[in-house]
Amino acid sequence: DAGVTQSPTHLIKTRGQHVTLRCSPISGHKSVSWYQQVLGQGPQFIFQYYEKEERGRGNFPDRFSARQFPNYSSELNVNALLLGDSALYLCASSWATGDYEQYFGPGTRLTVT
Amino acid sequence: GENVEQHPSTLSVQEGDSAVIKCTYSDSASNYFPWYKQELGKRPQLIIDIRSNVGEKKDQRIAVTLNKTAKHFSLHITETQPEDSAVYFCAASPRGSQGNLIFGKGTKLSVKP
Repeated sequence: DAGVTQSPTHLIKTRGQHVTLRCSPISGHKSVSWYQQVLGQGPQFIFQYYEKEERGRGNFPDRFSARQFPNYSSELNVNALLLGDSALYLCASSWATGDYEQYFGPGTRLTVT
Repeated sequence: GENVEQHPSTLSVQEGDSAVIKCTYSDSASNYFPWYKQELGKRPQLIIDIRSNVGEKKDQRIAVTLNKTAKHFSLHITETQPEDSAVYFCAASPRGSQGNLIFGKGTKLSVKP
């Protein structure tokens, strides 16, 4: 799992604001997935991107969006923040889409006040 | 959709004892089952995984077994050590999901010296 980086580490936002989270996968990995982890729960799948295309989407509202860049890094955007969006946002990197090992980054801790 | 249930939610053992964590899944087409270890404030770390064409896999003190008929899989840790203390998550990847992981709610393992 070494090599997946995320920024920022922590973020505090106010309700209604917008946030952008960033992820860089392990070198050579072409797939990035985003997960939301609420305290005391397992990660919940938000998006998967492979070769810059969305390959999967979890049960999250349209306020959540993402994209992947030509260098395989990715951004997760959340609009109109709600208190319930407070969570640890994890990025996972894998070689390709499909049943390949996913390695997580350290996460971004988002607090919405 | 896929649902993963994990038991127990907490587990306390003495150092040197064995620990077993069990998960059940609902989608019989799921074919990839990883286990992650998450220490407090850290990223989930992939510790072992198993695919549906294999019944058991072992890596030093940890092993995973899969029963496809019963739709359950288990993590076994032998000769537990205090550094094994963490939250453990099981996950399943439904066939056709492009590798998106559905996680259990986690098991907090405490190993007492």
